[in-house]
Amino acid sequence: AQSVTQLDSQVPVFEEAPVELRCNYSSSVSVYLFWYVQYPNQGLQLLLKYLSGSTLVKGINGFEAEFNKSQTSFHLRKPSVHISDTAEYFCAVSWMDSSYKLIFGSGTRLLVRP
Amino acid sequence: DTAVSQTPKYLVTQMGNDKSIKCEQNLGHDTMYWYKQDSKKFLKIMFSYNNKELIINETVPNRFSPKSPDKAHLNLHINSLELGDSAVYFCASSHALGVLQETQYFGPGTRLLVL
Repeated sequence: AQSVTQLDSQVPVFEEAPVELRCNYSSSVSVYLFWYVQYPNQGLQLLLKYLSGSTLVKGINGFEAEFNKSQTSFHLRKPSVHISDTAEYFCAVSWMDSSYKLIFGSGTRLLVRP
Repeated sequence: DTAVSQTPKYLVTQMGNDKSIKCEQNLGHDTMYWYKQDSKKFLKIMFSYNNKELIINETVPNRFSPKSPDKAHLNLHINSLELGDSAVYFCASSHALGVLQETQYFGPGTRLLVL
């Protein structure tokens, strides 16, 4: 079965430190990859997505992610985080052989401390 | 100017009751979804409609019935509510079904608590 794994349920970091949130998925079949962010008591909004082309994707708020096909990973990074980045981050994958579904990981809570 | 809106935002009710959650999108999208987010933040799709036609129906109890009066609205009716139905329910929409790379736009969520 197709699955998306976010190994870290919570990542605490200090403000202005770099961060990486990890995401792995189960199959190397062609995929589309997404990162969504959920701020407290809000819905999800798209941070960035990989469809094709360059494996390094830049998104909003200074985030970027790198697609690694051989490792079936799509890790999210930011070189310097702010307090306002505190939120839940979800990796999501669409497999090109799936029935129109977006499969989400279990989320990683990024907690930025002053 | 809200793109995807849901009502109510909070819903507290007794076990056994019937309740509805409404969703509306003003983005002109063809496809709408319902997701359930449990207490561990795990987000799972329940239903998807494309132009008022049911496309995805995950293994959801038949107490849950989506209704799409037009392509801008997708409501969720829940019969005989159970404690395990307590969760946050998100509505979302996207431009077109079958286009897997489409971004989904989410509503703010409805927090359902069944007592």
